[in-house]
Amino acid sequence: EIVLTQSPATLSLSPGERATLSCRASQSVSSYLAWYQQKPGQAPRLLIYDASNRATGIPARFSGSGSGTDFTLTISSLEPEDFAVYYCQQRSNWPFFGQGTKLEIK
Amino acid sequence: QVQLVQSGAEVKKPGSSVKVSCKASGGTFSSYAISWVRQAPGQGLEWMGGIIPIFGTANYAQKFQGRVTITADESTSTAYMELSSLRSEDTAVYYCARGLSARTFHNWFDPWGQGTLVTVSS
Repeated sequence: EIVLTQSPATLSLSPGERATLSCRASQSVSSYLAWYQQKPGQAPRLLIYDASNRATGIPARFSGSGSGTDFTLTISSLEPEDFAVYYCQQRSNWPFFGQGTKLEIK
Repeated sequence: QVQLVQSGAEVKKPGSSVKVSCKASGGTFSSYAISWVRQAPGQGLEWMGGIIPIFGTANYAQKFQGRVTITADESTSTAYMELSSLRSEDTAVYYCARGLSARTFHNWFDPWGQGTLVTVSS
């Protein structure tokens, strides 16, 4: 089982700031990594897949990078609606999610 | 585009079973895996298993093997997840989600259903 570890657990930032979220895999997943956003009471929404491809309708301020074991989700300038929980997911093996990073308003 | 609509909330007794449905509309159903992902209160996301309707075969996470059954009815574009021998730890929101790519379980999940809360309580 490939375990994903996300950091930090909580990130406190202000609107307009840049957010950098990390996801580390216990072994290489090549580029088979995705990022999801989940707001309270809602289902997760796919943001990025294959490490760096934005899903349909996702704003350009969201970008993903990395390969192998280290991945990053960057939100270039935070909007009020971006404060949520973010999960990474690998599909190199059976689907597995990281434990999440909560992005909160500072 | 594809939409997934799940059945409503359930309250079950320990030891019983629950069956949740997920109806797809607006797109191709049979070629894409439908997976089930659960989220316990305040916790993260956990993949339980999935099915590719056109193949009729399901795959399950090891943790749930023997206790979960995932099926699909192509005639109604509906997938089902049945979880048996329920215990309090199974209290969670259960989501269905379609694979982004056709004919593979190794997939990204988009879109998702709205979620079904299953509460297990005596």
